[in-house]
Amino acid sequence: EIVLTQSPGTLSLSPGERVSLSCRASQSISSRYIAWYQQKPGQAPRLLIYDASNRATGIPDRFSGSGSGTDFTLTISRLEPEDLGIFYCQHYSGPPPWTFGQGTRVEMK
Amino acid sequence: QVHLVQSGGGLVKPGGSLRLSCEASGFIFSDYYMTWFRQAPGKGLEWLSYISGGGDTVYYSDSVKGRFTVSRDNAKKSLYLQMNSLRVEDTALYYCARSNPARIWGQGTMVTVSS
Repeated sequence: EIVLTQSPGTLSLSPGERVSLSCRASQSISSRYIAWYQQKPGQAPRLLIYDASNRATGIPDRFSGSGSGTDFTLTISRLEPEDLGIFYCQHYSGPPPWTFGQGTRVEMK
Repeated sequence: QVHLVQSGGGLVKPGGSLRLSCEASGFIFSDYYMTWFRQAPGKGLEWLSYISGGGDTVYYSDSVKGRFTVSRDNAKKSLYLQMNSLRVEDTALYYCARSNPARIWGQGTMVTVSS
């Protein structure tokens, strides 16, 4: 089973700041099969990024994904107040289980 | 509009059973494999199960294998999760979703396992 470790655990930031969230895998992820989700309180998760760097439909271009192998990053270029929530990475490489990281909480100062 | 509407959650005693349903609309249901996830209170997301579009291939996480069964009825555009031998640690909000990575999610249904 591939273990995904996200860091940091929590970020407290101001609007307009640049944010980088890390997702590190216990083994190499083939074909860059990493997705990023945002979950706001009381809501289902929303897909932001798939295949490590492709934005899902309707996702603003301030969200971007990068990385390969075992290290992946979600970047928010200019934080907006509505970007608060918990961000999860997930792999879907090879046979299941398709595990999630433990999440990074983004809070507004 | 693409939608997944869930039903079937509730309170059940340890060892009991429950069946969750997920009804799809707005897309050709049989074209997509479907996924179940869950989220324990205050915890992160957990992938549970996958079923192919035709229903002939299924996968489960180790945490539910042998106790939960995923199925689908493409004529009814519906996905199911039969949960048996429920444990306290199965208490969670259960989500159905289209494919994985999941672009479309149900609203979630709460399952509480408690005596």
